[in-house]
Amino acid sequence: GAVVSQHPSWVICKSGTSVKIECRSLDFQATTMFWYRQFPKQSLMLMATSNEGSKATYEQGVEKDKFLINHASLTLSTLTVTSAHPEDSSFYICSARPITGGGNTIYFGEGSWLTVV
Amino acid sequence: DAKTTQPTSMDCAEGRAANLPCNHSTISGNEYVYWYRQIHSQGPQYIIHGLKNNETNEMASLIITEDRKSSTLILPHATLRDTAVYYCIVRLYGQNFVFGPGTRLSVLP
Repeated sequence: GAVVSQHPSWVICKSGTSVKIECRSLDFQATTMFWYRQFPKQSLMLMATSNEGSKATYEQGVEKDKFLINHASLTLSTLTVTSAHPEDSSFYICSARPITGGGNTIYFGEGSWLTVV
Repeated sequence: DAKTTQPTSMDCAEGRAANLPCNHSTISGNEYVYWYRQIHSQGPQYIIHGLKNNETNEMASLIITEDRKSSTLILPHATLRDTAVYYCIVRLYGQNFVFGPGTRLSVLP
C-alpha cells in the first residue's frame, strides 16, 4: 500500500524553541496533506489541511502563526511548532491523499511524538 | 460529515471472528463508509471502505445494511496483533476524515 513517512518519530525540545516535523509521501504524489494532533487516550483532531503551492487551511481554534505549515512539493509537507510549550506535547500525525490511483483514500504517517520540557 | 456511533470497547477471543458495529443513521447517498484502525502509538491504518455493496479484502470484510444506516466490520480470525482502536468514518469523496472515539478492540488469548 501507499507509504507516508514522518520524521522525526519522536523529538524532545525545550520550551520556547521551535521544532519541525516532516511528512513525505514516498511512492505517490499528493496535492493535499492533512495534519492531526492526538492527545493521550483521545481521538485524532484535524489541525489543518495543507495544499501544495498554497496556504494551509486551519481548523477553528488552531493558531496558524504557532503551527506553521509548508507544502512546497507534491511529496513533502512540514509542520513547524513555533515557541513550543509543554501543552504542545502531543502525537502529531500527517496524512496524504494520492492524486491518482487511490484518490478516495488517504494514508497516514507513523506519527511524531513531541515532548516539550 | 455524518456522525457515527460505535461501542466504546469490545473483547474478542483469539482465532474467533471480531464483529465491530457502526451506526450512521444520517448517512447521505454519496457518503462512503471507511474503517481505519490505530494500534497504540502508531498512525491510523486503512482497512477497508465501501459505498453500498459489501466489500472484502485481505484484512477484513465490510457489511453495509441495505438502508446504509449501519455497517459491520468483520475480522474473520482475530489475532493478538489486531488489538487496536477501530474507527468507523463516513465521508463524502474528497472531504476530510473526522475521527470519533472509535471502538477499542481487545483480542484475548
